[in-house]
Amino acid sequence: GQSLEQPSEVTAVEGAIVQINCTYQTSGFYGLSWYQQHDGGAPTFLSYNALDGLEETGRFSSFLSRSDSYGYLLLQELQMKDSASYFCAVRPLYGQNFVFGPGTRLSVLP
Amino acid sequence: NAGVTQTPKFRILKIGQSMTLQCAQDMNHNYMYWYRQDPGMGLKLIYYSVGAGITDKGEVPNGYNVSRSTTEDFPLRLELAAPSQTSVYFCASSYSGVTDTQYFGPGTRLTVL
Repeated sequence: GQSLEQPSEVTAVEGAIVQINCTYQTSGFYGLSWYQQHDGGAPTFLSYNALDGLEETGRFSSFLSRSDSYGYLLLQELQMKDSASYFCAVRPLYGQNFVFGPGTRLSVLP
Repeated sequence: NAGVTQTPKFRILKIGQSMTLQCAQDMNHNYMYWYRQDPGMGLKLIYYSVGAGITDKGEVPNGYNVSRSTTEDFPLRLELAAPSQTSVYFCASSYSGVTDTQYFGPGTRLTVL
């Protein structure tokens, strides 16, 4: 089976850097994805790690370590608009479904 | 490109009523998904489809049915609505390429009273 764990809430100030962790127990998966969801909105894709290491996309970076069963999303130069919920997700090797983590609510303070 | 569209945006049902949530995508994606999201919670997979004519159960399929007669459409049917089905429903699609990126529709907010 698969299960993912994330902190429920993280708070940071504008301009800061914040890291949102995702730990997982899974029998095998293709890669780790991250999605952002603003209140009342739909999830939108942010980043994907197929291989171990760091992927950078502008102010956002994502990291995966399969040996440690661990990944994280790094948000730099935080802006107020980054206040949202962030979900990690995996697609298991067997089956075409996705499994999402419970989400981390990020609050960016002025 | 409209992406993934869902109708209706909002709906209130009485217990025992039935309804169909519509989902369509114009990106020629083979894979489509239905999720529900309860307040303050993550996404739970209800059903998914890897192509026209093929559907499979997700984590929480009870009380729902789906069909996939075309690549574009993936409706979700609630036969006997119950208060436990009050939730926001998201449809998503993916090409299942290298990144497995899912594209989500705007959601349907359903209340069962």
